[in-house]
Amino acid sequence: EVQLLESGGGLVQPGGSLRLSCSASGFTFDNYGMSWVRQAPGKGLEWVSSISGSDSGGDTYYAASVRGQFIISRDNSKNMVYLQMNSLRAEDTATYYCAKDAYYNRRSHFDYWGQGTLVTVSS
Amino acid sequence: QSALTQPPSASGSPGQSVTISCTGTSSDVGGYNYVSWYQQHPGKAPKLMISEVNKRPSGVPDRFSASKSGNTASLTVSALQAEDEADYYCCSYAGSNNLVFGGGTKLTVL
Repeated sequence: EVQLLESGGGLVQPGGSLRLSCSASGFTFDNYGMSWVRQAPGKGLEWVSSISGSDSGGDTYYAASVRGQFIISRDNSKNMVYLQMNSLRAEDTATYYCAKDAYYNRRSHFDYWGQGTLVTVSS
Repeated sequence: QSALTQPPSASGSPGQSVTISCTGTSSDVGGYNYVSWYQQHPGKAPKLMISEVNKRPSGVPDRFSASKSGNTASLTVSALQAEDEADYYCCSYAGSNNLVFGGGTKLTVL
């Protein structure tokens, strides 16, 4: 059974940083891309970032809204994917979902999702 | 990329069919066969219902079907049931390794 468990959310001041983590299990982690999708309170879904499957590292992709601000990474030895979020702004307030890509390195669809972790940017 | 356009709401009575549209451009929906649909119940994570325009994952009832014509994709829910009441989001590949979601449609089962 595929399981994705996010952690690391919380309250952070504007301009601050936060690192989200996602622990994955139930599939061959190296073989699949992983992504982060966010949802602001009461709003729709927004793709944030993806990282390809990889033997080491992976190719990374970002939405224009977070490029240069967020960094996605993965540790295949731990079946973990991370999202380093810097220079946070109020508009980054959202529930952040970790999602499994259906493919190794193709932006297509997400076949499994975690339960999400809430990030609140406020003073 | 701009969000794909979905109607904010849709409704139908139990047993009826309802179709939700998702309109984009030739740079996203119309340009690629990578349209997916997600169901989200309140307070829950999204769930994949349709991938690659019209492919239904294992476990998704065959009451859910989808198609695409030009720049518009559509999700049809047949034989509506109470548990189908949820928010539905379309998503499309938009080129250059970008993905774009629709604004979401709240489906109400009357």
